[in-house]
Amino acid sequence: QSALTQPRSVSGSPGQSVTISCTGTNSDVGGYNYVSWYQQHPGKVPKAIIYDVSERPSGVPDRFSGSKSGNTASLTISGLQAEDEADYYCCSYAVISYVFGTGTKVTVL
Amino acid sequence: EVQLVDSGGGLVQPGGSLKLSCAASGFALSSFWMAWVRQAPGKGLEWVANINQDASTKYYVDSVKGRFTISRDNAKNSLYLQMNSLRFEDTAVYFCGRWGGGTWLDYWGQGTLVTVSS
Repeated sequence: QSALTQPRSVSGSPGQSVTISCTGTNSDVGGYNYVSWYQQHPGKVPKAIIYDVSERPSGVPDRFSGSKSGNTASLTISGLQAEDEADYYCCSYAVISYVFGTGTKVTVL
Repeated sequence: EVQLVDSGGGLVQPGGSLKLSCAASGFALSSFWMAWVRQAPGKGLEWVANINQDASTKYYVDSVKGRFTISRDNAKNSLYLQMNSLRFEDTAVYFCGRWGGGTWLDYWGQGTLVTVSS
């Protein structure tokens, strides 16, 4: 039940694209298509933005997209906007448990 | 409107106990797996426990096994987390969450702060 590995921070200018990686093992990320991503603004409740690797919940802008290759899942934010500045966490099913990533702070320059 | 309202947090001494509650409204609690997730101050999210619809199946992160118990009362639309033998490292904001579709947390409570300190 070790946390999934994410970069501590990524940054980009408005309009640019950024990608956040989430690396696990074949017992979690690599073994199941049950990766979700959560956005959390300071002092706020996490909000789901991607589920089942690449599905977007209703109301989430299509500039958020998810993918997976092997033991690494990725979240891409295209057309970065000021309101995207937040912490992002991946989460994967891991056989009778779930594991979150270490979290990535996205800074909009 | 789906709502989850967490309560029960507070200050407790090491070795003490606390019971958290999560009041659900706007949906049939009995139809969903539910979870508790915590976040230590300035740290990341950590999944704590899951419970299935009829409470027949429960899973825990290793660090709380034998100390925490997740439960539910579908008739009262409520989820609970009984926390015993609390440790300094259990200090965190605790969120309840609903597993929408079974694989992602589609709704979260606002969180309740548990502080373990002497």
